[in-house]
Amino acid sequence: DSGVTQTPKHLITATGQRVTLRCSPRSGDLSVYWYQQSLDQGLQFLIQYYNGEERAKGNILERFSAQQFPDLHSELNLSSLELGDSALYFCASSVAWTGDYEQYFGPGTRLTVT
Amino acid sequence: GQQVMQIPQYQHVQEGEDFTTYCNSSTTLSNIQWYKQRPGGHPVFLIQLVKSGEVKKQKRLTFQFGEAKKNSSLHITATQTTDVGTYFCCGNFGNEKLTFGTGTRLTIIP
Repeated sequence: DSGVTQTPKHLITATGQRVTLRCSPRSGDLSVYWYQQSLDQGLQFLIQYYNGEERAKGNILERFSAQQFPDLHSELNLSSLELGDSALYFCASSVAWTGDYEQYFGPGTRLTVT
Repeated sequence: GQQVMQIPQYQHVQEGEDFTTYCNSSTTLSNIQWYKQRPGGHPVFLIQLVKSGEVKKQKRLTFQFGEAKKNSSLHITATQTTDVGTYFCCGNFGNEKLTFGTGTRLTIIP
């Protein structure tokens, strides 16, 4: 158990819909990363937050947005969903924002768009 | 763009054989991390390399960081069934954007 929690575990929705994925970081970690993992693909970095502020942006679509709240949990919002958005979404937390600390991954949310 | 190439994509080995996966970057990295993802699981941190030419060992696993800090390798000696999974490198280009390699999926033939 990494100490990072993600909800829901599974999500099935239709094209055009909007969903919110939630992540609670490990106690004491201020940085949250979001990744997308499609079938047989690597981990695509989406976005990073540190202590409530956006720190880095990867290949995140304009239809996707995220935020980190004062209690440090984070939410990833996916809108106007397309079939190609079906994937496993991981969040990871780290103590710092600099990229030279271990990332602790949550169990992921599997999103299926039908 | 800043990319980290990882090879091979798949590796099937007999139990007891050695295994190696390689990561290459076109530009110098600040550091590189390695993660393992078991089937159906989430990535788990293995190690971080920071210094040029650094070599670290964890039991049967040996991690190396190239002299130019552009490449890295993970070598497993005498693989066991518990080594099954996908191994990812993660490069830090110093701009806070972490880039994962495409991963090497290791399967073991008993």
